[in-house]
Amino acid sequence: KQEVTQIPAALSVPEGENLVLNCSFTDSAIYNLQWFRQDPGKGLTSLLLIQSSQREQTSGRLNASLDKSSGRSTLYIAASQPGDSATYLCAVLSGGSYIPTFGRGTSLIVHP
Amino acid sequence: GAVVSQHPSRVICKSGTSVKIECRSLDFQATTMFWYRQFPKQSLMLMATSNEGSKATYEQGVEKDKFLINHASLTLSTLTVTSAHPEDSSFYICSAREELARVGPLTQYFGPGTRLTVL
Repeated sequence: KQEVTQIPAALSVPEGENLVLNCSFTDSAIYNLQWFRQDPGKGLTSLLLIQSSQREQTSGRLNASLDKSSGRSTLYIAASQPGDSATYLCAVLSGGSYIPTFGRGTSLIVHP
Repeated sequence: GAVVSQHPSRVICKSGTSVKIECRSLDFQATTMFWYRQFPKQSLMLMATSNEGSKATYEQGVEKDKFLINHASLTLSTLTVTSAHPEDSSFYICSAREELARVGPLTQYFGPGTRLTVL
């Protein structure tokens, strides 16, 4: 059974810092990995989707990498802003079941 | 991009009543929809997988008689919480899977969620 772990669980940083959020998974037979943002009381906003054959994806200040063999993905946020404050969720779509497994998320606070 | 809507966004009901939540894919057909539940500060837990025209597949520990799922068309799935109790209070999120080549296979889109409070 796929298990997804996100570290750290919570992070509080001053504005302007570059951040690294980590996601690890136990079964490397994945189809894709997706990073989401969730604001309090809201649904999920997809940030980046990395197919299993890809190494990384970039969107603006966000960069996500995937190392399938080691079961890890990293979300890099450059020059963080208070508007980046949210919970960031990692979801792994495993081959076979094609049902995503979510991590518990990293709660990020960027203070001015 | 593809859009998934949920209705209502927020509902408060009395204990013992039933509540229906709708999940719609607005601009694509979804043969498969998923229902998730999220407790405060917790991750999303898959409750069931809904396939159009067939019975839903429930995850272990989810009572199928309590959480009724109907996927009657390619754009609509409903979750009915029957005889709701305070412990059913949670955030319910649906997702729909688009399986067309234009956006890549097995791409999932998530609804905005429904906050259920049972008094």
